[in-house]
Amino acid sequence: QVQLQESGPGLVKPSETLSLTCAVSGYSITSGYYWDWIRQAPGKGLEWIGSIYHSGIIYYNPSLTSRVTISVDTSKNQFSLKLSSVTAADTAMYYCARHPTSGMSSGSIDSWGQGTLITVSS
Amino acid sequence: EIVLTQSPGTLSLSPGERATLSCRASQTISSSYLTWYQQKPGQSPRLLIYGASTRATSIPDRFSGSGSGTDFTLTISRLEPEDFAVYYCQHYGSSLWTFGQGTRVEIK
Repeated sequence: QVQLQESGPGLVKPSETLSLTCAVSGYSITSGYYWDWIRQAPGKGLEWIGSIYHSGIIYYNPSLTSRVTISVDTSKNQFSLKLSSVTAADTAMYYCARHPTSGMSSGSIDSWGQGTLITVSS
Repeated sequence: EIVLTQSPGTLSLSPGERATLSCRASQTISSSYLTWYQQKPGQSPRLLIYGASTRATSIPDRFSGSGSGTDFTLTISRLEPEDFAVYYCQHYGSSLWTFGQGTRVEIK
């Protein structure tokens, strides 16, 4: 049973860079899945941030691509998110997740972390 | 860019009633990549339906999905107390992911 656990600072100052890590347990990050970041502003809907494959293939939301970097560390079985120049609009619950690379459910996220709340405030 | 519009925004129903949720795409999309999630307060989303109509593992058969082209529907045949939640549709295409704004199913 895969488990995904986000970790991060909780509070980030405006204009700084938000850094989050997702630790994957119970499953190898090199096996058959893309690894995703999704966020949800308080009381709002879901927004996809980006996805990465262990080989380094990466896709970003066009609306965030200038500020986002996603990377993977296969030796630690984890992946990370960096979001630069944050503002209050980046305050949200940040989820890490995964979706399969192939098959009928390849367009669906089948596992989610519990999320970590990031507040942007001075 | 494909936009998904869900309606209604809020659905007020009683346990035992039938819920019909709509998701409309701004252009024709492949039903293979239309997904529904359920999210309860304080929880992460949970995969319900993928490929527009296939229930995910352990999802009760009172949940069903249908549709094609631009119009998709999630139906809950008889609402159980645990079904009151927010439901999101989602599309994947051209390496991009789009979510609808959600439909809240609340107890009447």
